[in-house]
Order: sequence, then C-alpha cells, then structure tokens
Amino acid sequence: GDSVTQMEGPVTLSEEAFLTINCTYTATGYPSLFWYVQYPGEGLQLLLKATKADDKGSNKGFEATYRKETTSFHLEKGSVQVSDSAVYFCALRNTGFQKLVFGTGTRLLVSP
Amino acid sequence: DAGVTQSPTHLIKTRGQQVTLRCSPKSGHDTVSWYQQALGQGPQFIFQYYEEEERQRGNFPDRFSGHQFPNYSSELNVNALLLGDSALYLCASSLEAETNSPLHFGNGTRLTVT
Repeated sequence: GDSVTQMEGPVTLSEEAFLTINCTYTATGYPSLFWYVQYPGEGLQLLLKATKADDKGSNKGFEATYRKETTSFHLEKGSVQVSDSAVYFCALRNTGFQKLVFGTGTRLLVSP
Repeated sequence: DAGVTQSPTHLIKTRGQQVTLRCSPKSGHDTVSWYQQALGQGPQFIFQYYEEEERQRGNFPDRFSGHQFPNYSSELNVNALLLGDSALYLCASSLEAETNSPLHFGNGTRLTVT
C-alpha cells in the first residue's frame, strides 16, 4: 500500500540555519504530495503542496519539489526562526482516493 | 470565517465505555474526514463522510462509526473503548467540488482511556 517515510527527529538547529527534512514515498499512480505543520496543542496546518512531478510548492520561506525519479519531497528553508519550532508531517493523497497517508512526523527545535 | 471546530477538547473515559466526538466543518465545506493520531505518530485515516454517507474507510474496526448531518457536521462514535484508543482525534473538512481541495484540520479532541 501507499506509505510515506520521514527522517527521524528531533532536528535541532540554531536560528538562521538551513533546514532540510527528508521525505520519500511509495505509491502507485500519481499522488499529490503535502507538507503539514503541527504546533503544540494544535491541529495540522497545510504548509505547502505539489500535485505533479517537478512542481515546487512554497510558503512562508519553505519549499519542496516533487521528484518522481527519486520518489521524494524534501522540505527546505534557507533560514529558520525560533517560531518554526513544530512537528512537520509529509503526506500523500493518491489519485481517486480521499485519504491522506502521513509520515510519522519530524520534530524541529530551533534555538535562539 | 470559522475554521473546523471540534468538541470537546479533552475527554477521559473508562475502558468499555462509549464516546461521541463532534466536528463542525469549515464554512462552505461539505466533506468531513476523521483521523486518529497516537502519541508521537502521524495521523491515521479512519473514514470520510460526504452527502451523509461513509465514502471511504481506513483500517479501523467496526467499533468506530460515524455520522454526517444535513448541515455537514459530523460525529465520531467509538464503542467498547480500549486503552489503545487513547489518542488525539482530528477532524478535517474539504470541498468535494474543488479538485485537490486541501484538508483543513481542527485542533482535535484528546481522548484518554483509563
């Protein structure tokens, strides 16, 4: 079945450091890919998405490119802030299906 | 513009009891999905409701059931609670007519089974 694999956390960075969170997926067909962020005590917020190969999703300085050849959708940010500390989830939704399949999440901790 | 609202925010139940969780979708949305998020894990799909019918279901036992009302709000019922049902239950809404409509999540109901 469809699955998403994320790098384990926590990822600990200093403010203004470069961020990469790796995400790879296994799916039949042509899924849409998403990054969601979860702040403490809250639900999930959509961060960015990409619906086809080579699409780049971007939002709030975060970017991710849909790489079909490597089945990857790595999240990057050039300069993280303390306020970016949260748990980040990579997810896919396959064509014709309504459900999202999530990875296990990666906790990001940014110190001043 | 109200987002997805869930109630209650926290709940404590005893093994064997039954529980009902409630969700109001974002204004204008007609589709509701439910997810279970165990501690330290990603959300797992339970089921989705559209036009008051269950449209797709994840790998959850029949103890988990739901309902969608004409105003698009939804309930999740869990019978014969087990300790392993302790989790954050997330409701998400979307608009069926929008291709690739993103899911909007509520803040969840934290269920503790003792």
